[in-house]
Amino acid sequence: SQKIEQNSEALNIQEGKTATLTCNYTNYSPAYLQWYRQDPGRGPVFLLLIRENEKEKRKERLKVTFDTTLKQSLFHITASQPADSATYLCALDITGAGSYQLTFGKGTKLSVIP
Amino acid sequence: GAGVSQSPSNKVTEKGKDVELRCDPISGHTALYWYRQSLGQGLEFLIYFQGNSAPDKSGLPSDRFSAERTGGSVSTLTIQRTQQEDSAVYLCASSSQGWNTEAFFGQGTRLTVV
Repeated sequence: SQKIEQNSEALNIQEGKTATLTCNYTNYSPAYLQWYRQDPGRGPVFLLLIRENEKEKRKERLKVTFDTTLKQSLFHITASQPADSATYLCALDITGAGSYQLTFGKGTKLSVIP
Repeated sequence: GAGVSQSPSNKVTEKGKDVELRCDPISGHTALYWYRQSLGQGLEFLIYFQGNSAPDKSGLPSDRFSAERTGGSVSTLTIQRTQQEDSAVYLCASSSQGWNTEAFFGQGTRLTVV
């Protein structure tokens, strides 16, 4: 069955650097892939959605890429700030059938060090 | 309402009791999701509704778990004969259509079974 894998449980980077987080899936490519941010004790908050026919999408300091050949999405935060410290989750429909079963990866905890 | 509302925000219950968790989605959102998040873990998909229908209930952990949605709006997640392993944060989300649109999350219900 389809699996979602996020590259590491934790990532530490220096303030001002670019953080790159990875989301890999194992089987069929979803038509859409989403990225969320979750702070401790709170529900996830939507950041970006990218479609399979879009190679890249940007929003302020955020950039998402989607490579259906590599079965991978990369999430970049440029000029990172301590306020960017949070857990970042990718989400997609794992059934491949265009269902509404939005499934999340386990997330990567990003810490931006001043 | 302005956002997804969940109640109660915290619930402590004795092992063996039944509990009901409520979710009020954003008005007009047809898709509604339930997830469970144990401490330090990722989001575990439980069930989703499209309107009042739940096409896939396979994510529910056991037959002690059930969910319903009435009037295409409020949803209730019921856990019967609670066990200690049911302790977690239960998150509800809604979206205007489904997995191809962003999901808005509530703050969750923290369930503790003692």
